[in-house]
Amino acid sequence: AQSVTQLDSHVSVSEGTPVLLRCNYSSSYSPSLFWYVQHPNKGLQLLLKYTSAATLVKGINGFEAEFKKSETSFHLTKPSAHMSDAAEYFCVVSDLSGGYNKLIFGAGTRLAVHP
Amino acid sequence: NAGVMQNPRHLVRRRGQEARLRCSPMKGHSHVYWYRQLPEEGLKFMVYLQKENIIDESGMPKERFSAEFPKEGPSILRIQQVVRGDSAAYFCASSPPTFSGSGDTQYFGPGTRLTVL
Repeated sequence: AQSVTQLDSHVSVSEGTPVLLRCNYSSSYSPSLFWYVQHPNKGLQLLLKYTSAATLVKGINGFEAEFKKSETSFHLTKPSAHMSDAAEYFCVVSDLSGGYNKLIFGAGTRLAVHP
Repeated sequence: NAGVMQNPRHLVRRRGQEARLRCSPMKGHSHVYWYRQLPEEGLKFMVYLQKENIIDESGMPKERFSAEFPKEGPSILRIQQVVRGDSAAYFCASSPPTFSGSGDTQYFGPGTRLTVL
């Protein structure tokens, strides 16, 4: 079965410092992986997705994630945090066992950015 | 191209009432998914529909919950006789009809926040 584990429920950084949000996945086949962001009381926005092309995936707003099969990880990074990055971030794996794309969400990581 | 539309954005119901949540997918999308987000949790899959067909409802509670996606009009998630535990954010997502096998992107609506008093 597909699953994702987000290793930190809360991450706090200072503005201008790097961001690292950790995600490990479990998959019985080559997975499709996504990061979504949710700002307070808003919907979800796709940051980036990995679909077995390049292992380093660049997304919007300066975010990127690296797929590491040996570590079963898909950590999200950004070199320099902005105040506007404060939000909830979800690591997501696609479960295709039913013949269609069912998304399995991690529990989320709440990112706080301090001035 | 308008995004996924959901209405209402906020819905308050008393215990025992019915809640109807609507989702209009993006133009050209024929696949609709409903997810539920309980407070302080990630989203959980509920149901996957195509036009006039329920493909997978394995994530939906067996009682009181139903979903449809008619040939014309929005997809509807219906909760009968709501209880306090139904209070949550309900998100709809849509994707285009082509299934590439590599994980088609789902585009999410803003959600409906249901509060049961």
